[in-house]
Amino acid sequence: NAGVTQTPKFQVLKTGQSMTLQCAQDMNHNSMYWYRQDPGMGLRLIYYSASEGTTDKGEVPNGYNVSRLNKREFSLRLESAAPSQTSVYFCASSEGNDRRGGRYGYTFGSGTRLTVV
Amino acid sequence: DQQVKQNSPSLSVQEGRISILNCDYTNSMFDYFLWYKKYPAEGPTFLISISSIKDKNEDGRFTVFLNKSAKHLSLHIVPSQPGDSAVYFCAASYSRAGKSTFGDGTTLTVKP
Repeated sequence: NAGVTQTPKFQVLKTGQSMTLQCAQDMNHNSMYWYRQDPGMGLRLIYYSASEGTTDKGEVPNGYNVSRLNKREFSLRLESAAPSQTSVYFCASSEGNDRRGGRYGYTFGSGTRLTVV
Repeated sequence: DQQVKQNSPSLSVQEGRISILNCDYTNSMFDYFLWYKKYPAEGPTFLISISSIKDKNEDGRFTVFLNKSAKHLSLHIVPSQPGDSAVYFCAASYSRAGKSTFGDGTTLTVKP
């Protein structure tokens, strides 16, 4: 099925461990995004990639790095996990940073539930 | 400073009646507004959007209204169905930036 695939779905890390969250889309979208959602809150943008080869910081980038590996894949890395990074992480893609992307919205993955102990 | 606000954390309506979800924004540069629906343990799904040059957009049971002067938008669901019970997120974007800012969501419960 076409869409956005995130792996893993669940992960428990110890403080200080590192890990990479993987995201891939098969819709030939130009733009990809990483958001986090904390309980009772909306989605906050961590990093985004407007097109292949570019990445930019979002609202809450500290403690994270990203790689736009190719047009399909956009990974999020936690170098040294902290309990404050316990959250649900969503990857999304859209057609682009123009009005078409605005009109059609994002397609989201099903999320990665990360717990840092 | 939260640029997109959904002031009602929850809303409960009877099946068949109208659901009205509200959203306010502060940044006048936003030129596209979107609504997403989210079920537990799933990612949000896009529902409907509206350009800043319009004041209304309809798609089936869903209508979004935009009042630019008040920096306010609303989502109307008519008639409401139990399957509409979910968290609804309002989001705003401006096309040059290519990213969206989300509100905190409103949990809608439609009672049979």
